[in-house]
Amino acid sequence: GAGVSQTPSNKVTEKGKYVELRCDPISGHTALYWYRQSLGQGPEFLIYFQGTGAADDSGLPNDRFFAVRPEGSVSTLKIQRTERGDSAVYLCASSLIGTSGRDEQFFGPGTRLTVL
Amino acid sequence: AQSVTQLDSQVPVFEEAPVELRCNYSSSVSVYLFWYVQYPNQGLQLLLKYLSGSTLVKGINGFEAEFNKSQTSFHLRKPSVHISDTAEYFCAVIYTGGFKTIFGAGTRLFVKA
Repeated sequence: GAGVSQTPSNKVTEKGKYVELRCDPISGHTALYWYRQSLGQGPEFLIYFQGTGAADDSGLPNDRFFAVRPEGSVSTLKIQRTERGDSAVYLCASSLIGTSGRDEQFFGPGTRLTVL
Repeated sequence: AQSVTQLDSQVPVFEEAPVELRCNYSSSVSVYLFWYVQYPNQGLQLLLKYLSGSTLVKGINGFEAEFNKSQTSFHLRKPSVHISDTAEYFCAVIYTGGFKTIFGAGTRLFVKA
């Protein structure tokens, strides 16, 4: 079956612009996670969805970052007024249930965001 | 603050030699522990996980890890590595009752012929 997919695979934008990054989780997975991975670092947690609601958004760095999952499937990470420091690979993962943290997370290939 | 430390950023090793990748986490409270692998140009893939029970956990591709609560460690081992094991390895922790996965900075394993 299909894994987690993310679009676009690469995004180049200019400082100050708005970007949207899309994640399609594995069908039937109720939990969805966003991470940011900077060069030479491990993934950094941003936000976790259980169904349509954000159960934990404590990792979002500031109010320029926002994520939605309106129908409990596809999620969009939105970044306003992009800054050069936002350049990173943005990873999405999904898991079947996710209510306990025990479930395996399946990762997508990531979107590489470059802010010029 | 909760954190995961991977003590080696790079580990070069010859093919068929044993390897240990070290991982320590910051708190002794109840945790779930994971090792993920990222092969070149591929996404993160779960290698193994510790949830409870036996402290020795076996994963895919011949890897195993041992949970040591007193030392807050979860080191990854393989008795004989292959060229195909060349990849980036990430240790991660979830504190029970939470959802946030905290990753280490990664260890690049480079297996030489």
